[in-house]
Amino acid sequence: GDSVTQTEGPVTVSESESLIINCTYSATSIAYPNLFWYVRYPGEGLQLLLKVITAGQKGSSRGFEATYNKETTSFHLQKASVQESDSAVYYCALGESGGYKVVFGSGTRLLVSP
Amino acid sequence: EAAVTQSPRNKVTVTGGNVTLSCRQTNSHNYMYWYRQDTGHGLRLIHYSYGAGNLQIGDVPDGYKATRTTQEDFFLLLELASPSQTSLYFCASSDTAGGGRNTLYFGAGTRLSVL
Repeated sequence: GDSVTQTEGPVTVSESESLIINCTYSATSIAYPNLFWYVRYPGEGLQLLLKVITAGQKGSSRGFEATYNKETTSFHLQKASVQESDSAVYYCALGESGGYKVVFGSGTRLLVSP
Repeated sequence: EAAVTQSPRNKVTVTGGNVTLSCRQTNSHNYMYWYRQDTGHGLRLIHYSYGAGNLQIGDVPDGYKATRTTQEDFFLLLELASPSQTSLYFCASSDTAGGGRNTLYFGAGTRLSVL
C-alpha cells in the first residue's frame, strides 16, 4: 500500500545548527504523487510548510527546503540553521493528484535548544 | 487565511458514552475531513465530505458517524465510545480539488479520552 516513513523523534538540535529530517515514501496506488511537509506548532493545527508536485523540483519556505526525488522515493526536509521557534512536529505527506487521498507519516518532533 | 475551529478542545467520556466533535470552517471550502492521530501513526482519515449533506467513508470509519449540515459545519459522532477511540482528532478543509494536491487547512485538534 501507500506509505510514508520519516525520522523517528524526538530530534534535538542546538540553535544555529543544521537539520535534516528524512522522509521516504511508497506510492503503489498513486500514479503521480504530490509531496508535502506540514508543521504543527504547540497548541495549533497542522499547517502547510511546503509542497512539491513535480519530481525533481525543490520546494522551500521559511528557510526549509525539500527536493522531490523519484529515484530514491525521498523528500527529506533540510534547514541550514535552525531557530528555537522551529520547535514543532513535522509531518511528511503523500497526496493523490485530483483526489482526496493524503497519506501522512507519523510525525517527527523537533526540539531546538538555545 | 483559512480558519478551521474545533470544539471542544478536550473531552473526557466513559466507555459507552455519546460524544459529538464539532468543526466549523469559514473559508467556503467544499471539502472537509476528520482525521485521528495516535502515537506512532500518521493521521488517518475517518470520514470526509465534499458538500452539505454529503458523506464519504475514509480509511478507519468503524465506530464513527459524521454529518455535514452546512458548507461550514462538519460533525463527528461517537455513539458508543470505546477506549480504542482515545485519540487526537483533527478536522481539516480544502478547496474543490481535494487534499491530494491542494493545501489542507487544519483545526487545532480535539483530544478525546475514553475511560
